[in-house]
Amino acid sequence: SAVISQKPSRDICQRGTSLTIQCQVDSQVTMMFWYRQQPGQSLTLIATANQGSEATYESGFVIDKFPISRPNLTFSTLTVSNMSPEDSSIYLCSVEDRASGGTYEQYFGPGTRLTVT
Amino acid sequence: DAKTTQPTSMDCAEGRAANLPCNHSTISGNEYVYWYRQIHSQGPQYIIHGLKNNETNEMASLIITEDRKSSTLILPHATLRDTAVYYCIVRSRNTGTASKLTFGTGTRLQVTL
Repeated sequence: SAVISQKPSRDICQRGTSLTIQCQVDSQVTMMFWYRQQPGQSLTLIATANQGSEATYESGFVIDKFPISRPNLTFSTLTVSNMSPEDSSIYLCSVEDRASGGTYEQYFGPGTRLTVT
Repeated sequence: DAKTTQPTSMDCAEGRAANLPCNHSTISGNEYVYWYRQIHSQGPQYIIHGLKNNETNEMASLIITEDRKSSTLILPHATLRDTAVYYCIVRSRNTGTASKLTFGTGTRLQVTL
């Protein structure tokens, strides 16, 4: 399965600023996703990062707040814009890759823990 | 995707089998049952999935009832490192492409000495 890394692993940011999170995969993958996990909550899909076109956002998430780039098949960024304390969460990158049994499954990066003060 | 129901939490003694149940009574014919787990401060980890037959891999076994309305994830010899939140997810599949993973609240498994 793909090995996924994220930068930064954690950050503390002031409200009103923006943070860009990077996701790097060690192999080319077609599908990349960004999830949010608020404190004590489960994961929520933010958007699907499409290579060469605009990301596909889920209900409740908009491009102005969470712009996403996907310049190639191994890299994506998520920006959290004009942050407020409510944006304090773990942000996770996920990819779809071939599993040992031959099927395609989703794998997750280690996450970026963001605290907004 | 169909909704799943899991107990909020479970305890298991180390070395014993951990049996984690999941109800998915509205599952449709083309939907698979997936299990992921999330160890504290890490990203979710894929465990296993199945359609209607029981499945086993190096991590766990998945038992799906004949009517497919419920399933059980079995960790045969739980260790302290298996302490995590376990998510049961029902997901439709298209060949070679992803469909969304919709995470519920999961079961918090605590493995104790």
